[in-house]
Amino acid sequence: AQTVTQSQPEMSVQEAETVTLSCTYDTSESDYYLFWYKQPPSRQMILVIRQEAYKQQNATENRFSVNFQKAAKSFSLKISDSQLGDAAMYFCAYRSPGGSQGNLIFGKGTKLSVKP
Amino acid sequence: NAGVTQTPKFQVLKTGQSMTLQCAQDMNHNSMYWYRQDPGMGLRLIYYSASEGTTDKGEVPNGYNVSRLNKREFSLRLESAAPSQTSVYFCASRRGLISNQPQHFGDGTRLSIL
Repeated sequence: AQTVTQSQPEMSVQEAETVTLSCTYDTSESDYYLFWYKQPPSRQMILVIRQEAYKQQNATENRFSVNFQKAAKSFSLKISDSQLGDAAMYFCAYRSPGGSQGNLIFGKGTKLSVKP
Repeated sequence: NAGVTQTPKFQVLKTGQSMTLQCAQDMNHNSMYWYRQDPGMGLRLIYYSASEGTTDKGEVPNGYNVSRLNKREFSLRLESAAPSQTSVYFCASRRGLISNQPQHFGDGTRLSIL
């Protein structure tokens, strides 16, 4: 069974600086999908960024980028120019390819605080 | 677009009471999911429905039942609520046919069992 591990329960960053959240996963599959979700205090689950394992190029969405290391089974999220609105829980998630199940396997999350 | 709508947003029950959490999506998605989120944990899958007319157990199905009423609606029922079921419940949907499509989540239902 696949597992997702987020080793940093809490992180803190100064506004305008850069922070990296770590995620590792365990799988025997060669093709899969990885996601980062943001959960602010409002409780919504907001998709931040996604990565297909077959793509070597790291995904980027504005200030958010990932460092995907397939051999190391590592999928870290970098937030540049941090803003107060980035304060939230961040969850890393894994999904197997194909099929119709498509459920996500989540890590336990990292709570990010942004200091003004 | 409303996306994924969950009702109610908050509920308090007594042990042994029953209740149904409602979920509806307006994106014409095939697959729908119910997760629970407990403190210090990520979301865990309770049940899912790959398509209309089918349902399957996830990681933590005990104490729950589901109904895929039609393509839009997927309900979660607690027949006899227990304090261990105090949690935040999320419904999600996905198109289901294209593997790289992400799940879309509702805003969650905070359920407390006394």
